[in-house]
Amino acid sequence: QVQLQQWGAGLLNPSETLSLTCAVSGGSFSGYYWTWIRQPPGKGLEWIGEINHTGDTNFNPSLKSRVTISIDMSKKQFSLKLTSVTAADTAVYYCARSFARYNFAYWGQGTLVTVSS
Amino acid sequence: QSALTQPRSVSGSPGQSVTISCTGTSNDVNGYNYVSWYQQHPGKAPKFLIYDVTKRPSGVPDRFSGSKSGNTASLTISGLQSEDEADYYCCSYAGSYTFVFGGGTKLTVL
Repeated sequence: QVQLQQWGAGLLNPSETLSLTCAVSGGSFSGYYWTWIRQPPGKGLEWIGEINHTGDTNFNPSLKSRVTISIDMSKKQFSLKLTSVTAADTAVYYCARSFARYNFAYWGQGTLVTVSS
Repeated sequence: QSALTQPRSVSGSPGQSVTISCTGTSNDVNGYNYVSWYQQHPGKAPKFLIYDVTKRPSGVPDRFSGSKSGNTASLTISGLQSEDEADYYCCSYAGSYTFVFGGGTKLTVL
């Protein structure tokens, strides 16, 4: 049973850096893509980016300049950093894992991150 | 990279069938057979429903089915049940190792 448990700061000031971590239990950590997705309040889902077990990353072009995704194989964790946040970055952030490829089969519980002064 | 287009809402009565459309372009939906669908109940994380346009993960009822024609993918839910009332999102691979979601559709079971 694959489970994703995520955590991170829920309230940020504008210009600060968002930092979230997702821990994986059950299943293999290798051979999959580990993804971050966000959902502004009352709005739809937005793909942020992904990383695989070798550290290869891919990002949404609209966020690429501000996003870092990293992985710690020894802890079976992966992390998201988003710099220079503004109110537009207020959202529920989800971590997810693919089923083989090109989809998001397993999801974390979500973390609401609010950016406000 | 623009969001895929979904109707904002659809509705149906218990036992009926409804279809939710998801329209993209040749750069995403029509370019790859990697459309997936997700169901999201209020306050919950999305649930994986359909992948690779037509495939159902283990545990998803066969009342849920996916298809694609040209730039438009569709999710059909047959034998509607009250618990199907939720938001539904499509997602497509968009090339260059990127993904794009639809804006979401609210399904109301009357």
